[in-house]
Amino acid sequence: ILNVEQSPQSLHVQEGDSTNFTCSFPSSNFYALHWYRWETAKSPEALFVMTLNGDEKKKGRISATLNTKEGYSYLYIKGSQPEDSATYLCAFMSTGRSGGSNYKLTFGKGTLLTVNP
Amino acid sequence: GAGVSQTPSNKVTEKGKYVELRCDPISGHTALYWYRQSLGQGPEFLIYFQGTGAADDSGLPNDRFFAVRPEGSVSTLKIQRTERGDSAVYLCASSLRASGFYNEQFFGPGTRLTVL
Repeated sequence: ILNVEQSPQSLHVQEGDSTNFTCSFPSSNFYALHWYRWETAKSPEALFVMTLNGDEKKKGRISATLNTKEGYSYLYIKGSQPEDSATYLCAFMSTGRSGGSNYKLTFGKGTLLTVNP
Repeated sequence: GAGVSQTPSNKVTEKGKYVELRCDPISGHTALYWYRQSLGQGPEFLIYFQGTGAADDSGLPNDRFFAVRPEGSVSTLKIQRTERGDSAVYLCASSLRASGFYNEQFFGPGTRLTVL
Protein backbone atom coordinates (compact mmCIF):
# COMPACT_ATOMS: atom_id res chain seq x y z
CA ILE A 1 0.00 0.00 0.00
CA LEU A 2 1.44 3.36 -1.04
CA ASN A 3 1.40 6.02 1.65
CA VAL A 4 1.32 9.70 0.70
CA GLU A 5 1.21 12.12 3.62
CA GLN A 6 0.63 15.85 3.58
CA SER A 7 1.14 18.34 6.36
CA PRO A 8 -0.24 20.41 7.80
CA GLN A 9 -3.85 19.31 7.31
CA SER A 10 -5.00 22.94 7.33
CA LEU A 11 -3.42 26.35 7.51
CA HIS A 12 -4.70 29.87 8.09
CA VAL A 13 -2.47 32.76 7.02
CA GLN A 14 -2.84 36.49 6.56
CA GLU A 15 -2.72 38.13 3.15
CA GLY A 16 0.89 38.83 2.26
CA ASP A 17 2.34 36.01 4.37
CA SER A 18 4.53 33.40 2.72
CA THR A 19 3.80 29.78 3.51
CA ASN A 20 4.84 26.26 2.69
CA PHE A 21 3.56 22.72 3.07
CA THR A 22 4.99 19.24 2.77
CA CYS A 23 4.22 16.08 0.86
CA SER A 24 5.99 12.83 1.73
CA PHE A 25 5.84 9.76 -0.49
CA PRO A 26 7.60 6.41 -1.05
CA SER A 27 11.20 6.81 -2.19
CA SER A 28 11.15 3.57 -4.18
CA ASN A 29 9.62 3.03 -7.64
CA PHE A 30 9.29 6.78 -8.11
CA TYR A 31 8.08 8.08 -11.48
CA ALA A 32 6.48 11.49 -10.84
CA LEU A 33 5.00 13.72 -8.19
CA HIS A 34 1.99 15.87 -9.11
CA TRP A 35 0.71 18.96 -7.31
CA TYR A 36 -2.90 20.10 -7.78
CA ARG A 37 -4.87 23.06 -6.49
CA TRP A 38 -8.55 22.38 -5.82
CA GLU A 39 -10.95 25.22 -5.19
CA THR A 40 -14.43 24.44 -3.97
CA ALA A 41 -16.90 23.58 -6.79
CA LYS A 42 -14.12 23.67 -9.41
CA SER A 43 -11.91 21.08 -11.09
CA PRO A 44 -8.58 20.22 -9.48
CA GLU A 45 -6.03 22.29 -11.41
CA ALA A 46 -2.62 20.85 -12.18
CA LEU A 47 0.19 23.03 -10.79
CA PHE A 48 3.33 20.97 -11.32
CA VAL A 49 4.50 17.57 -12.52
CA MET A 50 7.91 16.83 -11.05
CA THR A 51 10.05 13.94 -12.16
CA LEU A 52 13.74 14.52 -11.36
CA ASN A 53 15.44 14.57 -7.98
CA GLY A 54 16.38 18.16 -7.16
CA ASP A 55 13.70 19.59 -9.50
CA GLU A 56 12.52 23.08 -8.65
CA LYS A 57 9.52 24.46 -10.52
CA LYS A 58 7.89 27.88 -10.34
CA LYS A 59 4.57 29.30 -11.50
CA GLY A 60 4.06 32.91 -10.51
CA ARG A 61 4.19 33.11 -6.71
CA ILE A 62 4.04 29.34 -6.27
CA SER A 63 7.08 27.08 -6.40
CA ALA A 64 7.87 23.48 -5.54
CA THR A 65 10.91 21.36 -4.84
CA LEU A 66 11.44 17.62 -5.05
CA ASN A 67 13.68 15.18 -3.18
CA THR A 68 13.10 11.66 -4.47
CA LYS A 69 15.89 10.05 -2.43
CA GLU A 70 14.25 10.94 0.87
CA GLY A 71 10.69 11.05 -0.50
CA TYR A 72 9.44 14.57 0.04
CA SER A 73 8.30 17.65 -1.85
CA TYR A 74 7.68 21.17 -0.60
CA LEU A 75 5.19 23.65 -2.04
CA TYR A 76 5.85 27.34 -1.34
CA ILE A 77 3.51 30.28 -1.80
CA LYS A 78 5.09 33.73 -1.62
CA GLY A 79 2.94 36.68 -0.59
CA SER A 80 -0.32 34.72 -0.18
CA GLN A 81 -3.49 36.25 -1.60
CA PRO A 82 -7.12 35.42 -0.73
CA GLU A 83 -7.50 33.82 -4.17
CA ASP A 84 -4.84 31.27 -3.16
CA SER A 85 -7.35 29.80 -0.70
CA ALA A 86 -7.88 26.19 -1.81
CA THR A 87 -6.96 22.61 -1.00
CA TYR A 88 -3.51 21.69 -2.27
CA LEU A 89 -3.16 18.02 -3.17
CA CYS A 90 -0.05 16.08 -3.99
CA ALA A 91 -0.21 12.79 -5.86
CA PHE A 92 2.45 10.12 -6.32
CA MET A 93 2.87 8.15 -9.51
CA SER A 94 5.00 5.01 -9.40
CA THR A 95 6.88 3.24 -12.16
CA GLY A 96 4.93 0.64 -14.11
CA ARG A 97 5.72 -3.06 -14.38
CA SER A 98 7.22 -2.74 -17.86
CA GLY A 99 8.98 0.57 -17.23
CA GLY A 100 7.44 3.95 -17.84
CA SER A 101 4.78 5.09 -15.45
CA ASN A 102 1.94 3.45 -13.64
CA TYR A 103 -1.29 5.23 -14.54
CA LYS A 104 -2.72 5.55 -11.04
CA LEU A 105 -2.31 8.63 -8.93
CA THR A 106 -2.09 8.02 -5.18
CA PHE A 107 -3.17 11.18 -3.42
CA GLY A 108 -2.47 12.63 -0.02
CA LYS A 109 -5.36 14.04 2.00
CA GLY A 110 -4.45 17.59 1.03
CA THR A 111 -3.61 20.81 2.83
CA LEU A 112 -6.51 23.26 3.15
CA LEU A 113 -5.12 26.80 2.90
CA THR A 114 -7.21 29.79 3.97
CA VAL A 115 -5.80 33.25 3.29
CA ASN A 116 -7.49 35.98 5.31
CA PRO A 117 -7.65 39.50 3.79
CA GLY B 1 -10.67 24.06 -25.49
CA ALA B 2 -13.28 22.27 -23.40
CA GLY B 3 -12.09 20.50 -20.31
CA VAL B 4 -13.45 17.39 -18.64
CA SER B 5 -17.11 17.76 -17.78
CA GLN B 6 -19.19 15.76 -15.33
CA THR B 7 -22.91 15.55 -14.80
CA PRO B 8 -24.76 15.98 -12.59
CA SER B 9 -22.75 18.29 -10.36
CA ASN B 10 -24.81 17.19 -7.36
CA LYS B 11 -26.92 14.10 -6.83
CA VAL B 12 -29.02 13.34 -3.77
CA THR B 13 -30.56 9.90 -3.58
CA GLU B 14 -32.07 7.54 -1.09
CA LYS B 15 -30.44 4.44 0.26
CA GLY B 16 -31.05 1.49 -2.02
CA LYS B 17 -31.52 3.49 -5.22
CA TYR B 18 -29.54 3.22 -8.46
CA VAL B 19 -27.47 6.16 -9.73
CA GLU B 20 -25.48 6.95 -12.86
CA LEU B 21 -22.70 9.51 -13.03
CA ARG B 22 -21.47 10.75 -16.39
CA CYS B 23 -18.05 11.92 -17.54
CA ASP B 24 -17.15 13.65 -20.82
CA PRO B 25 -13.37 13.57 -21.26
CA ILE B 26 -11.24 15.96 -23.27
CA SER B 27 -11.61 15.18 -26.97
CA GLY B 28 -8.84 12.90 -28.20
CA HIS B 29 -7.86 11.61 -24.76
CA THR B 30 -7.68 7.84 -24.86
CA ALA B 31 -7.31 7.22 -21.14
CA LEU B 32 -10.06 7.91 -18.61
CA TYR B 33 -9.98 7.49 -14.85
CA TRP B 34 -12.51 7.56 -12.02
CA TYR B 35 -11.52 8.55 -8.48
CA ARG B 36 -13.60 8.99 -5.34
CA GLN B 37 -12.98 11.44 -2.51
CA SER B 38 -14.70 10.57 0.73
CA LEU B 39 -14.92 13.09 3.56
CA GLY B 40 -11.53 13.75 5.12
CA GLN B 41 -9.64 11.65 2.57
CA GLY B 42 -7.69 12.28 -0.59
CA PRO B 43 -9.08 11.09 -3.93
CA GLU B 44 -8.80 7.30 -4.30
CA PHE B 45 -8.50 5.42 -7.57
CA LEU B 46 -11.52 3.42 -8.71
CA ILE B 47 -11.10 2.36 -12.34
CA TYR B 48 -9.14 3.18 -15.48
CA PHE B 49 -10.12 2.82 -19.14
CA GLN B 50 -7.82 2.65 -22.11
CA GLY B 51 -10.13 3.16 -25.06
CA THR B 52 -13.34 1.20 -24.53
CA GLY B 53 -12.01 -1.42 -22.16
CA ALA B 54 -11.55 -1.25 -18.40
CA ALA B 55 -7.83 -1.88 -18.06
CA ASP B 56 -7.88 -1.84 -14.26
CA ASP B 57 -10.97 -1.93 -12.04
CA SER B 58 -9.11 -2.94 -8.89
CA GLY B 59 -10.22 0.19 -7.02
CA LEU B 60 -13.95 -0.47 -7.30
CA PRO B 61 -15.06 -1.17 -3.71
CA ASN B 62 -17.53 -3.99 -4.51
CA ASP B 63 -19.79 -5.38 -7.22
CA ARG B 64 -22.40 -2.67 -6.74
CA PHE B 65 -20.07 -0.40 -8.69
CA PHE B 66 -19.68 -0.70 -12.44
CA ALA B 67 -18.41 1.62 -15.17
CA VAL B 68 -18.62 1.60 -18.95
CA ARG B 69 -17.10 3.52 -21.83
CA PRO B 70 -18.78 1.94 -24.86
CA GLU B 71 -17.41 4.21 -27.61
CA GLY B 72 -14.11 5.14 -26.04
CA SER B 73 -15.21 8.64 -25.11
CA VAL B 74 -18.01 9.30 -22.59
CA SER B 75 -17.99 7.11 -19.50
CA THR B 76 -20.74 6.30 -17.01
CA LEU B 77 -20.14 5.14 -13.45
CA LYS B 78 -23.09 3.11 -12.19
CA ILE B 79 -23.85 2.40 -8.56
CA GLN B 80 -26.55 -0.09 -7.60
CA ARG B 81 -28.34 -0.31 -4.23
CA THR B 82 -26.59 2.82 -2.94
CA GLU B 83 -25.48 2.93 0.68
CA ARG B 84 -24.79 5.92 2.91
CA GLY B 85 -21.09 5.08 2.77
CA ASP B 86 -21.12 5.75 -0.98
CA SER B 87 -21.56 9.47 -0.28
CA ALA B 88 -18.51 11.19 -1.73
CA VAL B 89 -17.24 13.40 -4.53
CA TYR B 90 -16.71 11.28 -7.65
CA LEU B 91 -13.97 12.71 -9.86
CA CYS B 92 -13.28 11.85 -13.47
CA ALA B 93 -9.98 12.55 -15.23
CA SER B 94 -8.63 11.99 -18.70
CA SER B 95 -5.18 11.93 -20.27
CA LEU B 96 -3.82 11.76 -23.78
CA ARG B 97 -2.19 8.41 -23.03
CA ALA B 98 -2.07 6.23 -19.94
CA SER B 99 1.67 6.15 -19.43
CA GLY B 100 4.80 8.03 -20.20
CA PHE B 101 5.13 11.69 -20.91
CA TYR B 102 1.52 12.19 -21.99
CA ASN B 103 -0.13 10.80 -18.87
CA GLU B 104 -0.84 14.13 -17.16
CA GLN B 105 -4.37 13.75 -15.88
CA PHE B 106 -6.92 16.55 -16.30
CA PHE B 107 -9.81 16.48 -13.87
CA GLY B 108 -13.46 17.40 -14.07
CA PRO B 109 -15.23 19.30 -11.28
CA GLY B 110 -16.69 16.13 -9.80
CA THR B 111 -20.14 14.90 -8.90
CA ARG B 112 -21.09 15.22 -5.24
CA LEU B 113 -23.20 12.19 -4.36
CA THR B 114 -25.23 12.22 -1.16
CA VAL B 115 -27.05 9.07 -0.09
CA LEU B 116 -29.71 9.71 2.54
